[in-house]
Amino acid sequence: RKEVEQDPGPFNVPEGATVAFNCTYSNSASQSFFWYRQDCRKEPKLLMSVYSSGNEDGRFTAQLNRASQYISLLIRDSKLSDSASYLCVVAYSGAGSYQLTFGKGTKLSVIP
Amino acid sequence: NAGVTQTPKFRILKIGQSMTLQCTQDMNHNYMYWYRQDPGMGLKLIYYSVGAGITDKGEVPNGYNVSRSTTEDFPLRLELAAPSQTSVYFCASSIRAGNTIYFGEGSWLTVV
Repeated sequence: RKEVEQDPGPFNVPEGATVAFNCTYSNSASQSFFWYRQDCRKEPKLLMSVYSSGNEDGRFTAQLNRASQYISLLIRDSKLSDSASYLCVVAYSGAGSYQLTFGKGTKLSVIP
Repeated sequence: NAGVTQTPKFRILKIGQSMTLQCTQDMNHNYMYWYRQDPGMGLKLIYYSVGAGITDKGEVPNGYNVSRSTTEDFPLRLELAAPSQTSVYFCASSIRAGNTIYFGEGSWLTVV
């Protein structure tokens, strides 16, 4: 099983649609979770951290399910500017060990 | 605020040549990282550093070397370049493990 797994997409959705991405991770001791956004030929940038209680930032909602080892990202009212790849990131830090793993990303295209 | 700055942005190398990718950050971050990203693939960690004088191998360290003589700088050395090292290289930093990672704009390297 891959450490961090995402559906690569592409997800092609019309403007205004709601779209959801899931990500699964294999290390049950993982402690920190993030969603990053990466535009074509650009560097990844933090979209939002993911907290156990779930968190929302405008049109974006992130949730964590530790029992099932997955995180999700929900985008409501999609905009053309949301077109990008969304990377799931999982971090583990322990005694003498630090592991930060990126998923391959899910590509989103929002269509007019 | 410059953040993470890496140079050069583009470089073409011949097989067997060597070069250094420069990376500097002005955020006084302890952790610094080098990633490579092949087309359509996720980010793979080459090396990371948790502070000046301390470096550790990531997932794909072969063919690369790093040093961390100061908090600000984390150069990546490619020895005897090979076509398999054609990729986009991202330098990144974070204040500590599990915190937001900030990326440089990337260095596009082609080995011919």
